[in-house]
Amino acid sequence: QSVLTQPPSVSGAPGQRVTISCTGSSSNIGAGYDVHWYQQLPGTAPKLLIYGNINRFSGVPDRFSGSKSGTSASLAITGLQAEDEADYYCQSYDNGLSALYVFGTGTKVTVL
Amino acid sequence: QVQLVQSGAEAKKPGSSVKVSCKTSGGTFRNDNFSWVRQAPGQRLEWMGRIIPFVGSVDYAQNLQGRLTITADQSTNTAYMELTSLRSEDTAVYYCARGTHHLAFDIWGQGTMVTVSS
Repeated sequence: QSVLTQPPSVSGAPGQRVTISCTGSSSNIGAGYDVHWYQQLPGTAPKLLIYGNINRFSGVPDRFSGSKSGTSASLAITGLQAEDEADYYCQSYDNGLSALYVFGTGTKVTVL
Repeated sequence: QVQLVQSGAEAKKPGSSVKVSCKTSGGTFRNDNFSWVRQAPGQRLEWMGRIIPFVGSVDYAQNLQGRLTITADQSTNTAYMELTSLRSEDTAVYYCARGTHHLAFDIWGQGTMVTVSS
């Protein structure tokens, strides 16, 4: 399967801003498909945070924001809080042969 | 409020099969589409396949073709995932998720742990 590439980990102190990158290819993000972001707390199912590159899902604080450019996308968390410590995954659609949907490699956010 | 409720944990022997259910409530099952996504211990999310109950259309990830079957029962609003010829590498948490017109997944089941071990 095609995979979207994310940094394994990012960290920041409470109140700081952190960003997570998501790099794809010409068969997914570069083909114009939207990027979506999920938060996964330990032992729980993923939750949709951002859809359609920039839109916050219902109930998601405005501390979370998304952007997309070319074959990459980013998730920013401003005013980092202890409860934001989790794994984050990007996801897009893919027009290649292996799979319709592709996920990122995942990023662990640590609040120092 | 749409909810997806999955069946319980399974312990299987290599070479056997497993079937996991995902019952939906509060939504329009017939007009939705549902994917199955798995996550091996400590690993990333992996999309497995999708069903659109209204048209009966199913798509599978290439690496699972031949071993994976996804079905839906519209009378009970339940989707199913059956994986055959199980291997230790299939040990994972299996999730069902509802797809949106943005091609995201907005509602997820609680997950079903499948352990494959001799």
